[in-house]
Amino acid sequence: AQKITQTQPGMFVQEKEAVTLDCTYDTSDQSYGLFWYKQPSSGEMIFLIYQGSYDEQNATEGRYSLNFQKARKSANLVISASQLGDSAMYFCAMREGLGNQGGKLIFGQGTELSVKP
Amino acid sequence: ETGVTQTPRHLVMGMTNKKSLKCEQHLGHNAMYWYKQSAKKPLELMFVYNFKEQTENNSVPSRFSPECPNSSHLFLHLHTLQPEDSALYLCASSQLTGRLMNTEAFFGQGTRLTVV
Repeated sequence: AQKITQTQPGMFVQEKEAVTLDCTYDTSDQSYGLFWYKQPSSGEMIFLIYQGSYDEQNATEGRYSLNFQKARKSANLVISASQLGDSAMYFCAMREGLGNQGGKLIFGQGTELSVKP
Repeated sequence: ETGVTQTPRHLVMGMTNKKSLKCEQHLGHNAMYWYKQSAKKPLELMFVYNFKEQTENNSVPSRFSPECPNSSHLFLHLHTLQPEDSALYLCASSQLTGRLMNTEAFFGQGTRLTVV
C-alpha cells in the first residue's frame, strides 16, 4: 500500500505567486515525522521543512510552510512568493517508528514544479 | 569537506563489469542509507545501516552488495547488473536519537549509473 501519495505529477505557478503541493500519507503509528525535499536538476535532495505528528503548530521555514491536517492525514507544502529558482521536483517523505529502527524515510512520487516568469 | 559526498558522479558500466559506489559523510551521523531513483518513479529505499549494522534490505537483488566499514563510509558494490538498473543512486545519512523523529536525512548528489 502506498504510504505517501502526491497526486500532482506537475504544477505550474507564476513567479511571485503562492503554490500548494499536495501530500497525503498513511500510517498507523502515533509518532511520525513528515518532511519535504526539493530536488533540482542537479540531483541533490535538499531538505526544506519538517512537521512532527505531535506538533500543534504548522511548521514554517522562510517562504515554506506546511499545512498539516492530521485528521485528514495530509501535509501540503505551501511556497509563497515563488521564484524562478523554485523550479524543481518536490518530494514529500515520512519517517515512522520510534527508536533506532533504521529511521528510514519513505518518499512519495514527487511533483515537478515549474515557475513561469 | 562537509555534508555527504558521493563518488563517482557518473558511471557507465557493462553488464559483466564490477564496480563500486562510494559514499562518505562528514556529519558524525550514525545511520546511512542507499536509495535508488529511476526515471518517473519515487525514491526506493534499498539499504539502511544503523551504527554500521544493516537493519534493512528492501528485497534488493544480490547483484547489489552494500558495505559499511565504519559510520562515515558506505559502499555499494555492483556486479552483473542489468540495463534496468540504470538509475540515480543516492546516499543519505541521518542522526537517529531514539524517540526524536525530526532528524532529517542529508543526501549526497548521487551517482548517475548507466548499464550498457
